[in-house]
Amino acid sequence: QKEVEQDPGPLSVPEGAIVSLNCTYSNSAFQYFMWYRQYSRKGPELLMYTYSSGNKEDGRFTAQVDKSSKYISLFIRDSQPSDSATYLCARRGFQKLVFGTGTRLLVSP
Amino acid sequence: EAQVTQNPRYLITVTGKKLTVTCSQNMNHEYMSWYRQDPGLGLRQIYYSMNVEVTDKGDVPEGYKVSRKEKRNFPLILESPSPNQTSLYFCASSLQSGDSSNQPQHFGDGTRLSIL
Repeated sequence: QKEVEQDPGPLSVPEGAIVSLNCTYSNSAFQYFMWYRQYSRKGPELLMYTYSSGNKEDGRFTAQVDKSSKYISLFIRDSQPSDSATYLCARRGFQKLVFGTGTRLLVSP
Repeated sequence: EAQVTQNPRYLITVTGKKLTVTCSQNMNHEYMSWYRQDPGLGLRQIYYSMNVEVTDKGDVPEGYKVSRKEKRNFPLILESPSPNQTSLYFCASSLQSGDSSNQPQHFGDGTRLSIL
């Protein structure tokens, strides 16, 4: 079992839709979780991080961690074509980030 | 502009021909790391460095070497590349690292290596 699992997609939605991206993780010992966005031919860039359980909001983005079910979610409101990218969830590990394989999101105009 | 710079961005080479991928950051970060990204496997850590002259293996270190002689540079060396090292490589840096750290890791734009 991979430590962090994601559905690879692609997930296709129309502009303006609410997008829900999800990950599950197996090791409950770690506290920091991140979402990275990766555009084609670019490196991952940090979108949001959360600590332990709960929600964190930043503009159109909300990150949520549910430790009881070991679930990490990213919600995107009013999605835009510029949101089309691969979204990677990650947990902070010992001197490294442990990534999911990424979910490709396509937002059509 | 704060950035992590990798060179080359693309390289096609042959089995056994030594190569070096350079990585440089201009943010005075202590921590640097190399990852490889493969379809279905995601990003996996190769090596990391917590500071100058301090390096350690990540999850997939076989066939790679690194050095950290200066704070800003962290080259990745493939002494005898093989086809299974064909991949997309990313260098990353952060101010510090640690299990409790929320310091974000900044990534370069990647180096696509093809080993024939």
